[in-house]
Amino acid sequence: GENVEQHPSTLSVQEGDSAVIKCTYSDSASNYFPWYKQELGKRPQLIIDIRSNVGEKKDQRIAVTLNKTAKHFSLHITETQPEDSAVYFCAASGGSYIPTFGRGTSLIVHP
Amino acid sequence: DGGITQSPKYLFRKEGQNVTLSCEQNLNHDAMYWYRQDPGQGLRLIYYSQIVNDFQKGDIAEGYSVSREKKESFPLTVTSAQKNPTAFYLCASRIGRSSYNEQFFGPGTRLTVL
Repeated sequence: GENVEQHPSTLSVQEGDSAVIKCTYSDSASNYFPWYKQELGKRPQLIIDIRSNVGEKKDQRIAVTLNKTAKHFSLHITETQPEDSAVYFCAASGGSYIPTFGRGTSLIVHP
Repeated sequence: DGGITQSPKYLFRKEGQNVTLSCEQNLNHDAMYWYRQDPGQGLRLIYYSQIVNDFQKGDIAEGYSVSREKKESFPLTVTSAQKNPTAFYLCASRIGRSSYNEQFFGPGTRLTVL
């Protein structure tokens, strides 16, 4: 089955800095890569996603890049703000239709 | 935050008891999922259902059971066979089998064993 590795597990940045979270996947049949944000005690919510026929996608301060050859994808957050503090999960799905999640990255943005 | 609901929000269980967590959705989604979340472990799949009256085991199904008698409902029973059930449980749904479709999550149930 699919295996998704996510790094780092914790990321601490100063307000205004950029943050990058990286994920690798194992199943070459995976074709959809969503990113979820989970604030403390709340449900995960989709913030951005990318399909395998696209190399990069942007939405205001967040962007996701995908390298199918290397089987890795990354989340980029620019001009971080304290409200960006949360746990971020990457996921991959495709061959089995069942998403596999990474272990999460706790992002802390210091004012 | 309508669409998919879970109850109760907090649940306390004595050892040896079975408890059932509720998950309901009014999004007309075909697929529903149960995940367990522990600190540092991410989201681990317990059971999933792609269609009514059918469900499949996920990665950590031992000690859990589910039913899918109605499209909108997917309850999870945590049995006494689950040795370490204290965790945050999330239910999710998705519109169909396509891997491109977003999952929507419920607000979660926090289960604590006393």
